[in-house]
Amino acid sequence: GAVVSQHPSWVICKSGTSVKIECRSLDFQATTMFWYRQFPKQSLMLMATSNEGSKATYEQGVEKDKFLINHASLTLSTLTVTSAHPEDSSFYICSAREPAREYEQYFGPGTRLTVT
Amino acid sequence: GQNIDQPTEMTATEGAIVQINCTYQTSGFNGLFWYQQHAGEAPTFLSYNVLDGLEEKGRFSSFLSRSKGYSYLLLKELQMKDSASYLCAVADSNYQLIWGAGTKLIIKP
Repeated sequence: GAVVSQHPSWVICKSGTSVKIECRSLDFQATTMFWYRQFPKQSLMLMATSNEGSKATYEQGVEKDKFLINHASLTLSTLTVTSAHPEDSSFYICSAREPAREYEQYFGPGTRLTVT
Repeated sequence: GQNIDQPTEMTATEGAIVQINCTYQTSGFNGLFWYQQHAGEAPTFLSYNVLDGLEEKGRFSSFLSRSKGYSYLLLKELQMKDSASYLCAVADSNYQLIWGAGTKLIIKP
């Protein structure tokens, strides 16, 4: 149980375009989902926390107008990178938490974004 | 501020034992996690400690001392596939994970 999927697993886009990444909890309802970014040889950096039905909470330094997060249902959250630039190229990972197990996060497989 | 420290890199020999340390200072404590991350992949859960003491799970064990703000991950009978980064993370008072920078473990034959 507790499987989280992400789609796509990798994407290449041109500078100035927008990219949407989906995060789904497959066998549980995730009231909270987290979006992380990881640059090569660095640790995970939390970008935002999203709760179903409410606006995401962004970490300091993360532009909410550039990284749009929508958590419209208990099993789906999306991250849209708007007007992507080469410096947005990174590994984006989502995780999900179920209500009964507040202490544990289940990670998706990640999405590798390359902006050319 | 919140801070988690772990060594950047460690090297060990196949079949041996290695201990990866983690010290932390966080606002609130709701448990400490160890994750394994292979290059290009998402982290996978290894262990969770919320009470002091040692938790053993197969070849991997994790220890916690809350009074010292200290944990370690012990890996026994090392295999080549154990070459990965090991991430220490602490759940703060809001259950938000605070991450260490990770320890890259290199296993040599």
